Amino acid sequence: QQPVQSPQAVILREGEDAVINCSSSKALYSVHWYRQKHGEAPVFLMILLKGGEQKGHEKISASFNEKKQQSSLYLTASQLSYSGTYFCGTEERWGNTGKLIFGQGTTLQVKP
Amino acid sequence: DGGITQSPKYLFRKEGQNVTLSCEQNLNHDAMYWYRQDPGQGLRLIYYSQIVNDFQKGDIAEGYSVSREKKESFPLTVTSAQKNPTAFYLCASNPREGGYTFGSGTRLTVV
Repeated sequence: QQPVQSPQAVILREGEDAVINCSSSKALYSVHWYRQKHGEAPVFLMILLKGGEQKGHEKISASFNEKKQQSSLYLTASQLSYSGTYFCGTEERWGNTGKLIFGQGTTLQVKP
Repeated sequence: DGGITQSPKYLFRKEGQNVTLSCEQNLNHDAMYWYRQDPGQGLRLIYYSQIVNDFQKGDIAEGYSVSREKKESFPLTVTSAQKNPTAFYLCASNPREGGYTFGSGTRLTVV
């Protein structure tokens, strides 16, 4: 079942912060975050394995609450280059087999 | 540089034709995946393979077929049974517990 992302779209001014949420009804092994620019392939941002860790570097970070099966992506002091569509991918795993199911995406537009 | 190569970039298919999309990786990843993306939509999983000579159906496998004869290659055939094949097709691979690397995609259009 597809994870649910919210909000569907966000418009920011440069320097503002944003939070994108991802929620699943299934027990997850990991959560991935990707950014896709128009007409291009998605680019990997980060992966969070079950354990409730928070990851990130400088202005983009994420958290994973495995009890609630929820993840959030935090973008602080946004830059024009942050514009794009953000996808979360949720992974279930059984044995050595896993597959990533993507949410419907959140479109982020950063304006000068 | 390591990566995933998809070809062709654009493909046009006539009604009733089968077409094959190529995906090659030199990342030494065991796992490979095919996703379909429709305009303004997320990515939907077509097929995936964790190891050579083995693959599993994803959520929308009907009308598609794959093979995995070599670790580096995971071609996708869009058959005439797929009634609405116009979409952006993305191939990806990943190391165990690692992020996915995507190819640059193939845009398929039915003419």
